[in-house]
Amino acid sequence: DAGVIQSPRHEVTEMGQEVTLRCKPISGHNSLFWYRQTMMRGLELLIYFNNNVPIDDSGMPEDRFSAKMPNASFSTLKIQPSEPRDSAVYFCASTPRPMPPEAFFGQGTRLTVV
Amino acid sequence: DQQVKQNSPSLSVQEGRISILNCDYTNSMFDYFLWYKKYPAEGPTFLISISSIKDKNEDGRFTVFLNKSAKHLSLHIVPSQPGDSAVYFCAASGLGGANSKLTFGKGITLSVRP
Repeated sequence: DAGVIQSPRHEVTEMGQEVTLRCKPISGHNSLFWYRQTMMRGLELLIYFNNNVPIDDSGMPEDRFSAKMPNASFSTLKIQPSEPRDSAVYFCASTPRPMPPEAFFGQGTRLTVV
Repeated sequence: DQQVKQNSPSLSVQEGRISILNCDYTNSMFDYFLWYKKYPAEGPTFLISISSIKDKNEDGRFTVFLNKSAKHLSLHIVPSQPGDSAVYFCAASGLGGANSKLTFGKGITLSVRP
């Protein structure tokens, strides 16, 4: 298996623009997570899906952020409008089952909002 | 409020010696603990885990110790190798459902000197 696949790897956009990050989890995994990594806050969970249903979105910072999982093989994280403080590395991760929770991470998308 | 704390941002050790990485947590509902390793420009990769019913788990050069009463865990790497140089994240999880999301510390950068 190719692992968790994220696209794009790098994204540079202007403030105010819409940004869409994409994730393909490992086939057969039924839990998917979106994380954001910054120097200040480390790795923080944004949203967690189980069987394509959002279970916990308490980490989504504002209404500008939204995430969807239309099917078991695809998820998106959208920021609209983007702001410079959204600049970070965004990771997607998946697990085959809730327990044990050893998540497999993608390589991340480095987002820069200028 | 950080529920998982890695208070030392960095650690430098000589090749062949022991590396000890520490982690503290505050949430008594956490029941499963993990260590992840991260190289630059890559996603975190799972290293080793421990359930709260155990106090030690060993996998090759890596051993994780858990002290539930102190809410403290540590990762021991013996012997340390230059290839172990990376950022190490401690993570914790509850049991099942929404509690199975991973909460990460901010990470510690390990440098192993040849």
